[in-house]
Amino acid sequence: AAGVIQSPRHLIKEKRETATLKCYPIPRHDTVYWYQQGPGQDPQFLISFYEKMQSDKGSIPDRFSAQQFSDYHSELNMSSLELGDSALYFCASSSWTGRSPLHFGNGTRLTVT
Amino acid sequence: AQKVTQAQTEISVVEKEDVTLDCVYETRDTTYYLFWYKQPPSGELVFLIRRNSFDEQNEISGRYSWNFQKSTSSFNFTITASQVVDSAVYFCALSVNNFNKFYFGSGTKLNVKP
Repeated sequence: AAGVIQSPRHLIKEKRETATLKCYPIPRHDTVYWYQQGPGQDPQFLISFYEKMQSDKGSIPDRFSAQQFSDYHSELNMSSLELGDSALYFCASSSWTGRSPLHFGNGTRLTVT
Repeated sequence: AQKVTQAQTEISVVEKEDVTLDCVYETRDTTYYLFWYKQPPSGELVFLIRRNSFDEQNEISGRYSWNFQKSTSSFNFTITASQVVDSAVYFCALSVNNFNKFYFGSGTKLNVKP
């Protein structure tokens, strides 16, 4: 069965650079979520989209922005990167109407040096 | 406010032992969903089970079983005859109503030694 696809799997950036993470949800899933998991931490909710509109916002820094496109894929844009942004970034998708559980991608491991 | 507590930070067992991972949740919503996810060393989050607040039936899936008790706000996870491949961090999570947010517990790291 198709899963949530995230790219890239690993990303190394320097401080003050920008990064773009991509997420392709499971087909027919209309809701996308972004989570950030620091080392030894539980995943923290950043932001979510339903039908291409932002549906909820969590602890997402102002330096980050995200959007969901017409094909339902989503991108998380991160600017002015800081060392503390080094983390595992998960995308998850679900079907709003189907009340399905969140299915997570394999994550993008971002390292800021 | 929603909260999930996994009091066990780390558990070590020897292969073939049974182990129970505890999860206690807090919510004032009457409709909510509880989940368990497994995060192996490779990092991905693997969905294990979902339970809604109206279904207190316990569930068994192979060596895995879950005990949902609303009276104690607990959703505990038991692995029977543990195996080395069960070594991972296990997260309990809660969502309410609109599924927009998952509230994760801090995770329990399970080490299964041969």
